[in-house]
Amino acid sequence: GAVVSQHPSRVICKSGTSVKIECRSLDFQATTMFWYRQFPKKSLMLMATSNEGSKATYEQGVEKDKFLINHASLTLSTLTVTSAHPEDSSFYICSARDTLSGANVLTFGAGSRLTVL
Amino acid sequence: DQQVKQNSPSLSVQEGRISILNCDYTNSMFDYFLWYKKYPAEGPTFLISISSIKDKNEDGRFTVFLNKSAKHLSLHIVPSQPGDSAVYFCAASAGGIQGAQKLVFGQGTRLTINP
Repeated sequence: GAVVSQHPSRVICKSGTSVKIECRSLDFQATTMFWYRQFPKKSLMLMATSNEGSKATYEQGVEKDKFLINHASLTLSTLTVTSAHPEDSSFYICSARDTLSGANVLTFGAGSRLTVL
Repeated sequence: DQQVKQNSPSLSVQEGRISILNCDYTNSMFDYFLWYKKYPAEGPTFLISISSIKDKNEDGRFTVFLNKSAKHLSLHIVPSQPGDSAVYFCAASAGGIQGAQKLVFGQGTRLTINP
């Protein structure tokens, strides 16, 4: 089946630095990928839709200058948390849909836990 | 505005019994519903889905029921097994099976199956 790989799985950084998270579709092409954020004991919140070759579409309340998304190829999307602060600490998950598999089923990566000190 | 709600944060069920997880939604435009299962430190994995044109979908031990008039769906797991212990997320989207891919998730319910 479709596999989405996310890297790194865990990252710890100092406040003020930037962190990049990669999301790859391993065995299918994804023109669209989705980035979610999960707060402790909360639901997955859609942050943005990453579109290959064009600008990402951000959800209301998500700072586009804070969370930079690049989708340079059909198999790779990156999320860069710029000038990270402790409140950015969270679990970030990407997802993509394998159109060949049919249905509205998103395949999720394993997630990346970001801790900002 | 929580459009998809899972009002039970946790549920404990004895092995072999039926587990029933509930989900309510408010947006009448939602027409496709999914259940995802999530283990700690892993991404959610797809479990089962249902289109609004149906009221039941069954896959092995898992059955999803949809009550459109009540804007309510439920996931039944029978018989429950220890490996079913996980967090279960209900999700919804609008635009049909091939339509919008943006999913709105509930808060999740932590299911614990006791031996």
